[in-house]
Amino acid sequence: AQSVTQLGSHVSVSEGALVLLRCNYSSSVPPYLFWYVQYPNQGLQLLLKYTTGATLVKGINGFEAEFKKSETSFHLTKPSAHMSDAAEYFCAVSGRDSSYKLIFGSGTRLLVRP
Amino acid sequence: GAVVSQHPSRVICKSGTSVKIECRSLDFQATTMFWYRQFPKQSLMLMATSNEGSKATYEQGVEKDKFLINHASLTLSTLTVTSAHPEDSSFYICSADRLQTRDTQYFGPGTRLTVL
Repeated sequence: AQSVTQLGSHVSVSEGALVLLRCNYSSSVPPYLFWYVQYPNQGLQLLLKYTTGATLVKGINGFEAEFKKSETSFHLTKPSAHMSDAAEYFCAVSGRDSSYKLIFGSGTRLLVRP
Repeated sequence: GAVVSQHPSRVICKSGTSVKIECRSLDFQATTMFWYRQFPKQSLMLMATSNEGSKATYEQGVEKDKFLINHASLTLSTLTVTSAHPEDSSFYICSADRLQTRDTQYFGPGTRLTVL
């Protein structure tokens, strides 16, 4: 069975500092990997995804993530945090079967200090 | 492109009544639609998966008679919470994928259900 672990329910950074949100997955075969962002009382917006090919994936709003098979990780980073980045971030996986079901991590709330 | 809407955005109902939530893909035909439930400060839990014209597939532990899903067309799916109780109060979010990008789900803005 697949699972996703996000270390740290809350991460606080200063504006302009590096953002690092951690995600580890458990799967018998490398899954599809996703990062979504959720603003209060809204749905989810896709930041980036990894399905195949280059392991460093660039997404919207300056975010990127690197798939590391040996570490079963897909950490999300952004070089310089902006106040507007404050939100809830979810890592998710789906299998490479035909169901395309998403399994979400518990989420990490990013706080950006002025 | 790939916009998903939900209606209503908020609904308050009395215990024992039924509530219907609509999920529409506005600019694409959805191959599959998914329904999630999110409790405050928690992650999303998949409730069911539906394809147009087929019965929905419910996740383990989800009562199919309580959460009725109808997928009448390639752009519309509805979730009806029957005989709602306060413990059904939650944030319900739908998503849809499309034939060209089955590996990506596009999410609606969610519906906040409060059962009094």
